[in-house]
Amino acid sequence: EVQLVESGGGLVQPGGSLKLSCAASGFTFSGSAMHWVRQASGKGLEWVGRIRSKANSYATAYAASVKGRFTISRDDSKNTAYLQMNSLKTEDTAVYYCTRPRPHSSSSPFDYWGQGTLVTVSS
Amino acid sequence: EIVLTQSPATLSLSPGERATLSCGASQSVSSSYLAWYQQKPGLAPRLLIYDASSRATGIPDRFSGSGSGTDFTLTISRLEPEDFAVYYCQQYGSSPRTFGQGTKVEIK
Repeated sequence: EVQLVESGGGLVQPGGSLKLSCAASGFTFSGSAMHWVRQASGKGLEWVGRIRSKANSYATAYAASVKGRFTISRDDSKNTAYLQMNSLKTEDTAVYYCTRPRPHSSSSPFDYWGQGTLVTVSS
Repeated sequence: EIVLTQSPATLSLSPGERATLSCGASQSVSSSYLAWYQQKPGLAPRLLIYDASSRATGIPDRFSGSGSGTDFTLTISRLEPEDFAVYYCQQYGSSPRTFGQGTKVEIK
């Protein structure tokens, strides 16, 4: 059974940093890209960024709203993806989900999602 | 960036009725790489439809998707009580992947 479990959320002051983790199980993590999506309270879904597999050079891409502040990484030996968030702003307050694209396709939707972790940026 | 616009924002219907949700794209969605998700309060989104018209694993056949290019539709043939939720479309054919703003299907 595929499982994605996020952790690391919490309260942080504006300008601060936080690192989220996404522990994966039930599939070949090393062969899969991993994405992060966020959702502010009462709002819609916003794609944050992704990291591809080793076979695709661990290539990363980010939404314009977080580029230069957020960094996605992964540790295939631990089946874990990370989202390092720096220079946090109040508008980064949201539930952050890690998600997996459906396998066996060059471009695919997200078929499994974690339960989400809440990040609150406030003084 | 492809902007997705969903309509209506809210759909008020009764159980047993048919729901038709629309998703319009600001430019053509490559290879019909368009998905629909269902989200209930406090839960993560759930994939319903991918590639515009293919049902995801375990999704009942009352859910169907159609469309191509810039116009896409999600149809729920007969609403069950568990179908009242928010629905999002998403394109994954070009970067950045984008979502629509959502359509809430509420009980009338």
